[in-house]
Amino acid sequence: AQRVTQPEKLLSVFKGAPVELKCNYSYSGSPELFWYVQYSRQRLQLLLRHISRESIKGFTADLNKGETSFHLKKPFAQEEDSAMYYCALRFNAGNNRKLIWGLGTSLAVNP
Amino acid sequence: DAGVIQSPRHEVTEMGQEVTLRCKPISGHNSLFWYRQTMMRGLELLIYFNNNVPIDDSGMPEDRFSAKMPNASFSTLKIQPSEPRDSAVYFCASSFGQGGYGYTFGSGTRLTVV
Repeated sequence: AQRVTQPEKLLSVFKGAPVELKCNYSYSGSPELFWYVQYSRQRLQLLLRHISRESIKGFTADLNKGETSFHLKKPFAQEEDSAMYYCALRFNAGNNRKLIWGLGTSLAVNP
Repeated sequence: DAGVIQSPRHEVTEMGQEVTLRCKPISGHNSLFWYRQTMMRGLELLIYFNNNVPIDDSGMPEDRFSAKMPNASFSTLKIQPSEPRDSAVYFCASSFGQGGYGYTFGSGTRLTVV
C-alpha cells in the first residue's frame, strides 16, 4: 500500500544548526515526491518537488530510492523556518493522481 | 489571480445544522481537492475532481458529507447534519493537470460545530 511516513511529530533545533526532516515512503511505482510547508495560520504552500531538483529557501531534498526516503535538509536553520512541514507522494492509478500525505513534522527553530 | 478563494473563513454552527463551504479555484486549473485538517489526523483528502468530475471520493467520511462541482470555477462541500466531530479546518486546493506541478491551497475554512 502507498504510504508516507514522517517519523518525527516535532523537531526542535537552534538557529544556525543543521536540520533534517525525515520522510520515508512505500510505493511500488515510480515515485513523485513533494514537500509542502505551512507557516503559522497560513495556507499550505509547495516548497519542493523532487523532479525539479531545486533549492528553495535554502532547503534541499534528495530522493533515495534505495532507502525509499526523501528527507528535507537545510544546513543552517533560521527562526523563520519554524513551521509545519508535510511530505507527500503522488499516487498514480489510471486517472487517479491524488497525493498521499504524511502526518507532518512541526519544526521549531529556537533563537 | 487572487489564488484559491474559500468562504467563509470561519463558521460556527450548532450540531444538526447544515453547513456549506465554498471554493473558487484558480482560473485554468482543472483539478480541485477538498481536504480536512485536524491535529489528530493531519491532512485528509475528502474528495477530488478533475474536469469537474469526481475522481476519488474515498475520503468522504459518510453520507452526511457531499461535494459538488457544477462548473470549472466553483465547488461546494456540504455537511448535513453537522456534528461536533466535524470541527476542523477545511482546505480547498486546485492544480493544473493532476498536480504534478504542485497544488495551490486556499486559506481554509475553520469550522466549529457546538
